[in-house]
Amino acid sequence: ETGVTQTPRHLVMGMTNKKSLKCEQHLGHNAMYWYKQSAKKPLELMFVYNFKEQTENNSVPSRFSPECPNSSHLFLHLHTLQPEDSALYLCASSPAHGDEQYFGPGTRLTVT
Amino acid sequence: GENVEQHPSTLSVQEGDSAVIKCTYSDSASNYFPWYKQELGKRPQLIIDIRSNVGEKKDQRIAVTLNKTAKHFSLHITETQPEDSAVYFCAASKASGTYKYIFGTGTRLKVLA
Repeated sequence: ETGVTQTPRHLVMGMTNKKSLKCEQHLGHNAMYWYKQSAKKPLELMFVYNFKEQTENNSVPSRFSPECPNSSHLFLHLHTLQPEDSALYLCASSPAHGDEQYFGPGTRLTVT
Repeated sequence: GENVEQHPSTLSVQEGDSAVIKCTYSDSASNYFPWYKQELGKRPQLIIDIRSNVGEKKDQRIAVTLNKTAKHFSLHITETQPEDSAVYFCAASKASGTYKYIFGTGTRLKVLA
């Protein structure tokens, strides 16, 4: 275990549903990240939080809404997703910006 | 925009042979270069990293070299074993100014027994 957990591990949702992904890190890190991993594509950085302040939003559609209530928890709220949003969503944390990242196991999302 | 190119996309080697994966980055301000290994169905895990103030780093069978002038860095795995089979990702990062952490497209390494 790397100390980064994600729930749920699998999620199937319709395009009109609203759901949330949860990430928790037990490593005392200050930075947390959301990534999207699609088949045959590089890991896409979506959001970055440093000391629970959002520092990066890589042109992510507004149907993805992050929330970071504290340095240990990170959420990704999903609503009115599209089938092309189906992917593995990975959370990661690092001691600080620019340090090695520790990844969670990911949430496999399928949008029907 | 900034990007990281990674080659090859797939690589097959015989057990015991060496494997080399190369990455090129575009942002000269990048100063941290990690390599991650992702086994099938598992999360990416850091295997080695290098910062811009050194040219080479080694950890047992794994080494990384960095050429800042040419803006490329490479992963070297010697004496490959079947358990080295996985997808390997390079990344380039900078923490100053606008935060960036950009991954390469990945290399699927197969070590044939």
